[in-house]
Amino acid sequence: DAGVTQSPTHLIKTRGQQVTLRCSPKSGHDTVSWYQQALGQGPQFIFQYYEEEERQRGNFPDRFSGHQFPNYSSELNVNALLLGDSALYLCASSLLALMNTEAFFGQGTRLTVV
Amino acid sequence: AQSVTQLDSHVSVSEGTPVLLRCNYSSSYSPSLFWYVQHPNKGLQLLLKYTSAATLVKGINGFEAEFKKSETSFHLTKPSAHMSDAAEYFCVVSEGNKLVFGAGTILRVKS
Repeated sequence: DAGVTQSPTHLIKTRGQQVTLRCSPKSGHDTVSWYQQALGQGPQFIFQYYEEEERQRGNFPDRFSGHQFPNYSSELNVNALLLGDSALYLCASSLLALMNTEAFFGQGTRLTVV
Repeated sequence: AQSVTQLDSHVSVSEGTPVLLRCNYSSSYSPSLFWYVQHPNKGLQLLLKYTSAATLVKGINGFEAEFKKSETSFHLTKPSAHMSDAAEYFCVVSEGNKLVFGAGTILRVKS
């Protein structure tokens, strides 16, 4: 079992550009959540997807959007990048039936906006 | 809204001595609480979880935590620190569909 895999591992983008980050959940999991971890801080919840729909959203602007595919994999899209979007983006997968009793995290994508 | 406060941003211990990482929570109902560890350049790993069963929770790598409702605390302990324990530790509370993380405690282990 490969666990949760994210790609790419590192990314450098210019202000104003758009970026897409990808996540494959742990085998058997149906729910994907995305978190942003700024340097020196704890992860902040962006949103969660289940059955290809956004179930809940954190306090992030509409520039952040996502998608979940029928195979449960997910993408996070960020438009009009700002310097403040530089962070580690973490994907977590879980089983909806277990709520948040067992969430597995990927190693993250380090996004640098210059 | 649920929240957690990690009382120490940095903790330094000598190898072989006990570890105590402190966490207080705020919740309007019986919470689900977790401790996660993050090693440099690695993802978050679940150490242990409390979901209203036994108040003393045992986790991986010799860590344990005790849920104390009267003190609204969920402190993480380990009897004897190992060099490999050096990492950042997060106290986490579940709020509906999301996890709410504390600011983290960086544990340094001196040889």
